[in-house]
Amino acid sequence: AQSVTQLGSHVSVSEGALVLLRCNYSSSVPPYLFWYVQYPNQGLQLLLKYTSAATLVKGINGFEAEFNKSQTSFHLRKPSVHISDTAEYFCAVSDLQDGGADGLTFGKGTHLIIQP
Amino acid sequence: NAGVTQTPKFRVLKTGQSMTLLCAQDMNHEYMYWYRQDPGMGLRLIHYSVGEGTTAKGEVPDGYNVSRLKKQNFLLGLESAAPSQTSVYFCASTLGTGGREQYFGPGTRLTVT
Repeated sequence: AQSVTQLGSHVSVSEGALVLLRCNYSSSVPPYLFWYVQYPNQGLQLLLKYTSAATLVKGINGFEAEFNKSQTSFHLRKPSVHISDTAEYFCAVSDLQDGGADGLTFGKGTHLIIQP
Repeated sequence: NAGVTQTPKFRVLKTGQSMTLLCAQDMNHEYMYWYRQDPGMGLRLIHYSVGEGTTAKGEVPDGYNVSRLKKQNFLLGLESAAPSQTSVYFCASTLGTGGREQYFGPGTRLTVT
């Protein structure tokens, strides 16, 4: 089974600052990787995904992530954050189930707080 | 399109009671999933379905049953609720495998006392 590790359960930065959220995965084969965002009391929304094309992936709301095979990492960053980016961020890896579906294995999440 | 909807949004149960959570999607997706979210745990896969009439176990299936009688609906049942099942439950759906995006519902917050 796959596993995902997110370093830092809480991250607090000032508005306008660069933010980097770290994600490392375990996989013996090139994986499909995702970053999802969860705003308070809402479901999850896809920010971006890696599916073995370009290693630098651009997503919505100015976020981007870089796939690094040698370091088994898929860190998320945004050059200049906004108050509205305050949310929970989840890194996930696609995990092929016995029944043939791609279940997602999630990290524990990073709560990002943007200070005014 | 409503996307993925879940009913109910909130529910409080007493230990031993039963209930069914309903997930509906209007995107004609083949694959549907149930996850639970617990503080500090991320989301964990309970059960999933690869098409109408099929179901399979995920990572944490104990204490839950599911049914997919219609392609657009995926039901999650708790036959005898336990406090350990207090959680937020999310349904998701996708077209298929190969890195396709999973679309999530808004969640059901369940408390078992």
